Amino acid sequence: DTAVSQTPKYLVTQMGNDKSIKCEQNLGHDTMYWYKQDSKKFLKIMFSYNNKELIINETVPNRFSPKSPDKAHLNLHINSLELGDSAVYFCASSQDYVEGKTQYFGPGTRLLVL
Amino acid sequence: QKEVEQNSGPLSVPEGAIASLNCTYSDRGSQSFFWYRQYSGKSPELIMFIYSNGDKEDGRFTAQLNKASQYVSLLIGDSQPSDSATYLCAVKEYGNKLVFGAGTILRVKS
Repeated sequence: DTAVSQTPKYLVTQMGNDKSIKCEQNLGHDTMYWYKQDSKKFLKIMFSYNNKELIINETVPNRFSPKSPDKAHLNLHINSLELGDSAVYFCASSQDYVEGKTQYFGPGTRLLVL
Repeated sequence: QKEVEQNSGPLSVPEGAIASLNCTYSDRGSQSFFWYRQYSGKSPELIMFIYSNGDKEDGRFTAQLNKASQYVSLLIGDSQPSDSATYLCAVKEYGNKLVFGAGTILRVKS
């Protein structure tokens, strides 16, 4: 069974569209994350939720809106997509928010904005 | 925000050699350091983490911290072609929030 899963795996869309990426973890973890990895492989955190509560909200355009319906799911909605949004988006989870807990990454969603 | 820097590489080593990967960090007060491995087209996976109180060894992997010079190293002994990947260094900022470096590409040639 996949521990952290994301859908879709690939997403190709036009500028200005709105899209969502879904993430689910079956590890029983309390904390989930969204990361963005750009073309230079730089991995940067965007958001983190702990038990459905937002705990990290980095300097991200407000076109990006995370939503956690329960602690096993963390979705990412992106409005008015721009060329610069093209990247790989990784979801991750950890047992909790305590220091040193291993973060398990999903397979990534490759977003290409044309 | 803390900054983490890595040489992008590629670092090429022959099979069986020791690969040495380094990462420098900006905040002298940093306490926890992580090494992730990422194969091309795949997601990052944790190799090991160390705290500021000491080095750590796990099989062929050794993580070392030099607090005075603010860098952390990952040594891979008896390097294998399967070790070829991008190695991401990360430093804890607070809680479980990590700041990642851009990664070093390692190529192990048989």
